[in-house]
Amino acid sequence: DTEVTQTPKHLVMGMTNKKSLKCEQHMGHRAMYWYKQKAKKPPELMFVYSYEKLSINESVPSRFSPECPNSSLLNLHLHALQPEDSALYLCASSQVTGYVNQPQHFGDGTRLSIL
Amino acid sequence: AQSVTQPDIHITVSEGASLELRCNYSYGATPYLFWYVQSPGQGLQLLLKYFSGDTLVQGIKGFEAEFKRSQSSFNLRKPSVHWSDAAEYFCAVVTNTGTASKLTFGTGTRLQVTL
Repeated sequence: DTEVTQTPKHLVMGMTNKKSLKCEQHMGHRAMYWYKQKAKKPPELMFVYSYEKLSINESVPSRFSPECPNSSLLNLHLHALQPEDSALYLCASSQVTGYVNQPQHFGDGTRLSIL
Repeated sequence: AQSVTQPDIHITVSEGASLELRCNYSYGATPYLFWYVQSPGQGLQLLLKYFSGDTLVQGIKGFEAEFKRSQSSFNLRKPSVHWSDAAEYFCAVVTNTGTASKLTFGTGTRLQVTL
């Protein structure tokens, strides 16, 4: 069992739909991450939140909108996606201390398909 | 920029045989390195990490890795592979951003285990 929970596990949506991905962790971690993973490729970082504030945006298109409403939750709002956005979306979390290289813990991901 | 290279895209070993997966890093100072494993349809699970100190690190599931500065390598090893070890393995290096860790993954090595 993973300690980072992502919902839904699968999502199929049209290009005009609006949907949201949800991620939750109760490990007290104050850094949370969104990654995109295409088939047979490594995960690519999209966003990093630290203490509920956006600290990294890896030049992600605005059709992806992250939100961190509290220290346990991370959302990814989706709107007007393109077929090439079909992928596995992974959430991760980590501690943030003076020694910042804490391992990231990953959820099982949401597999997103855009019709 | 920090990066890691995994030279082997695909490796096949027999169950019970030993395993070594290669990872080479590119960084001037001491890197912070991780090995993750991803089973089909799942998220990433941390196998082990290297921050400093002892160059031979032990991880979960019987895996170990050795940091060799002279060879810029961090190879993953297991003395006897089990069929359940079949998965994708990613080496990763972390970059400090000041408030959170940013992971950069290698391209991955797919391990197939024959019975």
